[in-house]
Amino acid sequence: KAGVTQTPRYLIKTRGQQVTLSCSPISGHRSVSWYQQTPGQGLQFLFEYFSETQRNKGNFPGRFSGRQFSNSRSEMNVSTLELGDSALYLCASSSTLTDTQYFGPGTRLTVL
Amino acid sequence: GQQVMQIPQYQHVQEGEDFTTYCNSSTTLSNIQWYKQRPGGHPVFLIQLVKSGEVKKQKRLTFQFGEAKKNSSLHITATQTTDVGTYFCAGRGGGTSYGKLTFGQGTILTVHP
Repeated sequence: KAGVTQTPRYLIKTRGQQVTLSCSPISGHRSVSWYQQTPGQGLQFLFEYFSETQRNKGNFPGRFSGRQFSNSRSEMNVSTLELGDSALYLCASSSTLTDTQYFGPGTRLTVL
Repeated sequence: GQQVMQIPQYQHVQEGEDFTTYCNSSTTLSNIQWYKQRPGGHPVFLIQLVKSGEVKKQKRLTFQFGEAKKNSSLHITATQTTDVGTYFCAGRGGGTSYGKLTFGQGTILTVHP
């Protein structure tokens, strides 16, 4: 099976812009989670989707939003970008049988 | 909210020495998972522990889940240079709802040859 894919892999934006990141889970996986990884804060949970419904949400401002489509692909959107949003954004998918998170390679977002 | 603390933040060892990282949750967990992230890579699943007091081994790695299902440890015997990376624990919240998966801060392991 193909692994989790994320696009784009790298992104450079300026403050105030918005960005949309995409994640395609492993075939058959219905759960998709998003994480923000920074050197100082480690892996911070953003949100988790299951069958197009947000199941859990982390402690991020409303500028961070996401959605999941019927084919389980997921997108996250960050509006009004701030310098502090520069990070590696990781997507992970899991099946209904196990709780194992399969991570994608991430999208490296740089906000200038 | 649920917090997962992991110590130490950094560990430098000589090749052949043992290594242990500890994870402690503020709440009871339904399961705990361990991941390894190599430099420049993404986290890769190592193991999941579900039962109170559970101990699992993978070659030189030993994982334990505490009796109260609030703490866990990963022990590596006789480290090798291939063990270099960041080790994360991740706790799935307990209770009746499907809780959040909260990651610890990670332990960065450096192995000197």
